[in-house]
Amino acid sequence: QKEVEQDPGPLSVPEGAIVSLNCTYSNSAFQYFMWYRQYSRKGPELLMYTYSSGNKEDGRFTAQVDKSSKYISLFIRDSQPSDSATYLCAMSHGNNAGNMLTFGGGTRLMVKP
Amino acid sequence: SAVISQKPSRDICQRGTSLTIQCQVDSQVTMMFWYRQQPGQSLTLIATANQGSEATYESGFVIDKFPISRPNLTFSTLTVSNMSPEDSSIYLCSVGSAKDQPQHFGDGTRLSIL
Repeated sequence: QKEVEQDPGPLSVPEGAIVSLNCTYSNSAFQYFMWYRQYSRKGPELLMYTYSSGNKEDGRFTAQVDKSSKYISLFIRDSQPSDSATYLCAMSHGNNAGNMLTFGGGTRLMVKP
Repeated sequence: SAVISQKPSRDICQRGTSLTIQCQVDSQVTMMFWYRQQPGQSLTLIATANQGSEATYESGFVIDKFPISRPNLTFSTLTVSNMSPEDSSIYLCSVGSAKDQPQHFGDGTRLSIL
């Protein structure tokens, strides 16, 4: 069993839809939770990160962490075709968000006009 | 966030040769990491590049195959040695610049082995 599981998709939604992306994990030592967006032929771009449990909102994006369930989510409101990319969840443990990361497999999202 | 430049951006190499990938950051950073992303897959950490000491390798990766240098706080290299088609991947450099700041990535080096 992988430490971090993520549905690979592809997930296809119409423009304007609310998108929900999720990851589950098994290692209770993870403290920092990140979401990266990766466009084709580019490196991962940090979207959001949270420490421990709770919610964090940034514009159209909301990240949720439920440590009791070992489950994290990224919500995208009013999705746009420009949101079409692969979304990677990543996690680290210890006392530093910059510690080594364990990635999920990535979910490919397609937002259709 | 730090600006990360990787060179080359892509290359096609012959089996049995070696290639050195460079990662340059526009500011001093504490931690630098090297990842591999195989076609259609997620990222796997190869090693942590430590300034002034040997890199720390993850399980399944060895120094003889992936030697790493970190001569200062803004630069690192990864060499892929004695390449085979199985080494065809994207190799990514990332940096951690400060406590509680997540890693940021370069755009990667796309490597194809014939």
